[in-house]
Amino acid sequence: DTGVSQDPRHKITKRGQNVTFRCDPISEHNRLYWYRQTLGQGPEFLTYFQNEAQLEKSRLLSDRFSAERPKGSFSTLEIQRTEQGDSAMYLCASSSPTDREAFFGQGTRLTVV
Amino acid sequence: GQSLEQPSEVTAVEGAIVQINCTYQTSGFYGLSWYQQHDGGAPTFLSYNALDGLEETGRFSSFLSRSDSYGYLLLQELQMKDSASYFCAVTGASGGSYIPTFGRGTSLIVHP
Repeated sequence: DTGVSQDPRHKITKRGQNVTFRCDPISEHNRLYWYRQTLGQGPEFLTYFQNEAQLEKSRLLSDRFSAERPKGSFSTLEIQRTEQGDSAMYLCASSSPTDREAFFGQGTRLTVV
Repeated sequence: GQSLEQPSEVTAVEGAIVQINCTYQTSGFYGLSWYQQHDGGAPTFLSYNALDGLEETGRFSSFLSRSDSYGYLLLQELQMKDSASYFCAVTGASGGSYIPTFGRGTSLIVHP
């Protein structure tokens, strides 16, 4: 297994467009997290899945954001009607119940112009 | 809710020892983790403390005092490649979910 993979690595979009990011966790991991990180800041929690169930959502996650994890495998994060303030690195992480650590993907860097 | 405080920047010379402190506030504490992130890279796990005391992993050690809501990361024999951002992250209980909440990070600059 090659770890957590995210696609695309970079996305440039015009304001008002919709974008969708994909995360493939490590195969045996049932926990999946989405974070957002801006320059000079730590990762900010967005949402958490345990298997296919979305158990936690941050107040940061406005109604323009939606995430899914069908069948408890890969996950998608969609942002509708993007705004310039959405420009950030979107990080996905996964872990198993016995892990002390979260394993991060390389992230998707979103630029809204 | 959860919050963490850590210094924004620390500088040191190669071969030295540096300590990065972290204080936190959380409900239902499970553990304190440390992650390293180089520019353009993903956060990578360094250390985890669930109980009070010191955990040592090679040149890196991490300490936790749950009564003080305080921990630190100790880096010894600093190398240039240690220049990176270091994040403490607290895992607290939230409705049965285990979600790491990250601090704003400490930028470590190692000089020759």
